[in-house]
Amino acid sequence: DTEVTQTPKHLVMGMTNKKSLKCEQHMGHRAMYWYKQKAKKPPELMFVYSYEKLSINESVPSRFSPECPNSSLLNLHLHALQPEDSALYLCASSQEEGWGYEQYFGPGTRLTVT
Amino acid sequence: GNSVTQMEGPVTLSEEAFLTINCTYTATGYPSLFWYVQYPGEGLQLLLKATKADDKGSNKGFEATYRKETTSFHLEKGSVQVSDSAVYFCALRRNFGNEKLTFGTGTRLTIIP
Repeated sequence: DTEVTQTPKHLVMGMTNKKSLKCEQHMGHRAMYWYKQKAKKPPELMFVYSYEKLSINESVPSRFSPECPNSSLLNLHLHALQPEDSALYLCASSQEEGWGYEQYFGPGTRLTVT
Repeated sequence: GNSVTQMEGPVTLSEEAFLTINCTYTATGYPSLFWYVQYPGEGLQLLLKATKADDKGSNKGFEATYRKETTSFHLEKGSVQVSDSAVYFCALRRNFGNEKLTFGTGTRLTIIP
């Protein structure tokens, strides 16, 4: 099983809402990633978790708050977002964080902020 | 810093045509090189990869050869199908530490019957 699942598939939220994105993998991977992809652009790395600890934060605004409650699950909590945060949010996982490990991507959550 | 340059799209081809999508890179050291494909409404899938010079990655009829002398990793397929319509991203990752993937801007490919 090489599947990364993400829920919800689509999300529409207002600028005052609080919502969460969820990502799950059961491949025993110890590294998990959040990427943001704007239309017609490549994915941009936001956060990396390794062994359930935050390893990389690419200077992401605090209105995005990641959480890794266990090795299979990665959440992204959203609060007070702006319309420019509308994008496809992709989760990925790899066996370890290092360079030699392939990243497996989920299908993404398409977020619209109104 | 690291960078990846892909040919501008969109690219439109007829079914069974030969495909080339150009990719060149700039990086210090010896990176691993990747092609990812993103079908409409989906996440990214690793299509193929090469980890050192002169390696050829191949999958589903697609091929790419790691050319260190020209810093290139061009994607080719001999006969494309309608189902190959997607966005293709070239990417690199340097081979040490916790280096992140650096993506090109993507090339949208449309195959018409």
